[in-house]
Amino acid sequence: DQQVKQNSPSLSVQEGRISILNCDYTNSMFDYFLWYKKYPAEGPTFLISISSIKDKNEDGRFTVFLNKSAKHLSLHIVPSQPGDSAVYFCAASGGGSNYKLTFGKGTLLTVNP
Amino acid sequence: NAGVTQTPKFRVLKTGQSMTLLCAQDMNHEYMYWYRQDPGMGLRLIHYSVGEGTTAKGEVPDGYNVSRLKKQNFLLGLESAAPSQTSVYFCASSAARWGETQYFGPGTRLLVL
Repeated sequence: DQQVKQNSPSLSVQEGRISILNCDYTNSMFDYFLWYKKYPAEGPTFLISISSIKDKNEDGRFTVFLNKSAKHLSLHIVPSQPGDSAVYFCAASGGGSNYKLTFGKGTLLTVNP
Repeated sequence: NAGVTQTPKFRVLKTGQSMTLLCAQDMNHEYMYWYRQDPGMGLRLIHYSVGEGTTAKGEVPDGYNVSRLKKQNFLLGLESAAPSQTSVYFCASSAARWGETQYFGPGTRLLVL
């Protein structure tokens, strides 16, 4: 049973527009959520995170929104740049410990010039 | 400061052969992890360690063994490789504090024929 779901395998946007990547989770014990970015032939790199006590966290062009009642989070990238083209993984941990992350399957974002 | 390094980068094995993947981190992190990434499957946790001398099973531990004899190293062993273990393997580490992100290595691509 998949506890973290990224239902869109891919997303294509124009440079300068907003990219919105979505993630749903089923485990109500999750209390910390992260987004990782992965380029081909490289390891995932941390992008942004949010704890369950917040509903929004912003870092430059990247904003993560958390809707606990809907068990849904989203990553907004504004404005999108060609260098943002990568696979984005949503991940979650819970129970007061972050040492076991559950990952979604990822969404391939392509930003077209 | 190299972060997380993995050895080797790429390896081809025949079915039944054994090998060890080495992960090293220089960030003095307590926690270390081994993941595998398969197409359309995201990252799945194989084994993890919460400190030197400790190991624990993750989501997909069968066919793998691990050891954490030194804090900075985490070894992943395949005793008898199978084609189903063809994958990209990522090592990660994190500090032992809630909310700390995991830092990933560049990955090891393994092909089992």
